[in-house]
Amino acid sequence: QKEVEQDPGPLSVPEGAIVSLNCTYSNSAFQYFMWYRQYSRKGPELLMYTYSSGNKEDGRFTAQVDKSSKYISLFIRDSQPSDSATYLCAMSVLGTDKLIFGTGTRLQVFP
Amino acid sequence: GAVVSQHPSRVICKSGTSVKIECRSLDFQATTMFWYRQFPKQSLMLMATSNEGSKATYEQGVEKDKFLINHASLTLSTLTVTSAHPEDSSFYICSAKSPGLAGAQETQYFGPGTRLLVL
Repeated sequence: QKEVEQDPGPLSVPEGAIVSLNCTYSNSAFQYFMWYRQYSRKGPELLMYTYSSGNKEDGRFTAQVDKSSKYISLFIRDSQPSDSATYLCAMSVLGTDKLIFGTGTRLQVFP
Repeated sequence: GAVVSQHPSRVICKSGTSVKIECRSLDFQATTMFWYRQFPKQSLMLMATSNEGSKATYEQGVEKDKFLINHASLTLSTLTVTSAHPEDSSFYICSAKSPGLAGAQETQYFGPGTRLLVL
């Protein structure tokens, strides 16, 4: 079993839709959670990070962490075609540098 | 802020040659840089952690004599793929650890990646 599981998609939604992206994990020592966006042939871009359960909001993006269920989510409101990319979740044990990534979910937002 | 660059963005080489990839933190000093490899439709896999002025720490299964890492300054780390073979063709991405806000975990910022094709 992989430490981090993420549905690879692709996920195709119309412009303006609310998108929900999810990851599950098995290592209860993970305490630091991140979401990255990666456009084709580019490096990952940090979108959000959090190290507590609950919600964290930044503009159209909301990150949600449920440590009891070992489940994290990224919600994108009012999705735009420019949001079309691969979204990677990543997590680490607090105080360590090693990031464990999910495989990424490919999102396509069509006009 | 927190910009990381990589050079070259793409390289094609013949089997048996060596290729050097540079990773620079442009607007901050990075005591620690990381090298990842990403195969098509797969996630990023950490290859090694590079600390300024000391030897790199390699992940299990990564050959340190094949993937030479040098972190000579606080803003530059290099990865040299020695005697490259077609199976080394991949997307190589570096990241640099940026000081975080007080009390928060430091965050990694990624470079744009280098696509290596070995013929």
